[in-house]
Amino acid sequence: GAVVSQHPSWVICKSGTSVKIECRSLDFQATTMFWYRQFPKQSLMLMATSNEGSKATYEQGVEKDKFLINHASLTLSTLTVTSAHPEDSSFYICSARDGTSGMDTQYFGPGTRLTVL
Amino acid sequence: DAKTTQPPSMDCAEGRAANLPCNHSTISGNEYVYWYRQIHSQGPQYIIHGLKNNETNEMASLIITEDRKSSTLILPHATLRDTAVYYCIVGLRGNKLVFGAGTILRVKS
Repeated sequence: GAVVSQHPSWVICKSGTSVKIECRSLDFQATTMFWYRQFPKQSLMLMATSNEGSKATYEQGVEKDKFLINHASLTLSTLTVTSAHPEDSSFYICSARDGTSGMDTQYFGPGTRLTVL
Repeated sequence: DAKTTQPPSMDCAEGRAANLPCNHSTISGNEYVYWYRQIHSQGPQYIIHGLKNNETNEMASLIITEDRKSSTLILPHATLRDTAVYYCIVGLRGNKLVFGAGTILRVKS
């Protein structure tokens, strides 16, 4: 299957700082990437849909000014958590849509664990 | 997107087949059935997907009923490494995936 990477795999930051998370599709081009958040013992919650070269579409209740998404190339999307607070501590996971193989399947990255102190 | 219903948990003996059911009675004609699994503290792993016909790959088989209102994921010979949360998701091809609670599968020796 296709490979999606995330960097960093974990990060600890102080309250009020910003953190950038990268999501890369390593062996395919992804015109669409998705960002999810997962709290302990809960399911994944979709945050936004990121399309290459255009503005992200945010799900209801997700603050677009707090969670900045940039999809500047066909293999890279970034999520920046601005002015992070302890309640933003979570597991952030991206997925990338592989439409090149004809199966149009989404593949997920390994996730980034964010801890805000 | 159509909603899915899965049992919260299931147990399976190692080496036996694991059959995970999923109900999706409100599925529309152009929506696919996707299965992913998530092992603790990792990103979800794609397993299989289908529209109408049964599908099989190296990981699993997907059996979709003729009316498409339910499906079953079959892991033919479960191992301890198959212990995970399994998600059945219904959605349009290439569109966003909305995750439910999934089924916790515990494979026991």
